[in-house]
Formats: sequence, C-alpha cells, structure tokens
Amino acid sequence: KQEVTQIPAALSVPEGENLVLNCSFTDSAIYNLQWFRQDPGKGLTSLLLIQSSQREQTSGRLNASLDKSSGRSTLYIAASQPGDSATYLCALISSGSARQLTFGSGTQLTVLP
Amino acid sequence: NAGVTQTPKFRILKIGQSMTLQCTQDMNHNYMYWYRQDPGMGLKLIYYSVGAGITDKGEVPNGYNVSRSTTEDFPLRLELAAPSQTSVYFCASSYFGPSTDTQYFGPGTRLTVL
Repeated sequence: KQEVTQIPAALSVPEGENLVLNCSFTDSAIYNLQWFRQDPGKGLTSLLLIQSSQREQTSGRLNASLDKSSGRSTLYIAASQPGDSATYLCALISSGSARQLTFGSGTQLTVLP
Repeated sequence: NAGVTQTPKFRILKIGQSMTLQCTQDMNHNYMYWYRQDPGMGLKLIYYSVGAGITDKGEVPNGYNVSRSTTEDFPLRLELAAPSQTSVYFCASSYFGPSTDTQYFGPGTRLTVL
C-alpha cells in the first residue's frame, strides 16, 4: 500500500528565506504527484501537478521536483513571504489506484515577518 | 463561477442522528469526490463519482452513502452518526480523472458528533 510522508510536520522561517518542503513515497509506480496549499478553515488549492514523465514544474516562486526512483518530491519556495504561511500537502496517484489520491499529512509553514 | 460549494459549514450531531452534507459545483466537471480530514492528517477518500448515476467507494466508505443524480450535485449521507465520524469533510471536483487533472476543493464542513 502506498504511503506518503511529509517531514517536518511544522516549519518556521524568517521572511525572505528560500526553503524546501519534502515529500517521500513508498511505491514509485505513480501517475502524477501534486502539491496543494491549505489555509486554515479553507479548502485545498492546487499549486503544481507533476506527471510521472516529468521531473519538475514551476509556477512563480514555486518549483516542484519529482524523483520517482528515490521516491521523493520537493517543493522549493523562493524568497518566502508571510502570505506563504499555510499547510502544504503533497498527494499522488498510484498506478494501482488510478482514481484515488493518496495524501501526506502536510507541513505547516509559518513565515515570520 | 462559484466553484465548489458546501453546506453547512459547521454541524454538531448527536450519536445516532443522520444528516446530509451538500456539495455543488458549477464547472460542469465529470468527476466529484468526498474526502475526510482528521486533525493532523492528510485527506482520505470516502466516495467518488465519474458522472451522473455512477459512484464508487474510496478508502473509507463505511458509515456513508452517496448519490449523483445530476452533474452538479454530489450529496454525502451519514447514517447513525458515530464519534469516529467527527472530522472535516471536503468535496472536490475535476473535469478529467485524477490521473491527469487537478481537483478543485470546496471550503469544507466541520462535523462534530457528540
């Protein structure tokens, strides 16, 4: 069964710092991997989707990479801002369950002014 | 576009009561999903639908039922509520399946069963 792990569970950084969030998974047979942002009391917002044939995706200050062979993905946030404070979740589709996203438990990020 | 809307936002139930969580999307999406999120955890899929009249179980379907009579609506029914169903429930939708398409989420319903 696919397991998705995100470490650390919480992270606090000063404004302006570049940072990396980590996501690891146990089964490398995946269709895609997505990073979501969750604000308190709100739903999830999709940030980046990486197909299994891709190595990375970029959107503004965000860059997500995927290394299936090592079972890892990273989300890089450049020049962090207080508005980036949120919980970041990674989720993926395993080849054995094409209709189901498996989520990690998230990393709660706080960017201090 | 309102996107995905969910009602109610909050609800407290007593053990054994029943209720329906409403979900509506106005994006003409084929796929709709119900997830639950327990504190400090990721989301787990309860049920999903690939179109009107077609539903299937996810990872944690016990204690829930769904129906999909229209493209827009995907209600989730809780029968005989139990404390283990205390959670935040999210509805989501997408045009294509999750293998190729991202999902759009509603704001969630926070349910407490006492």
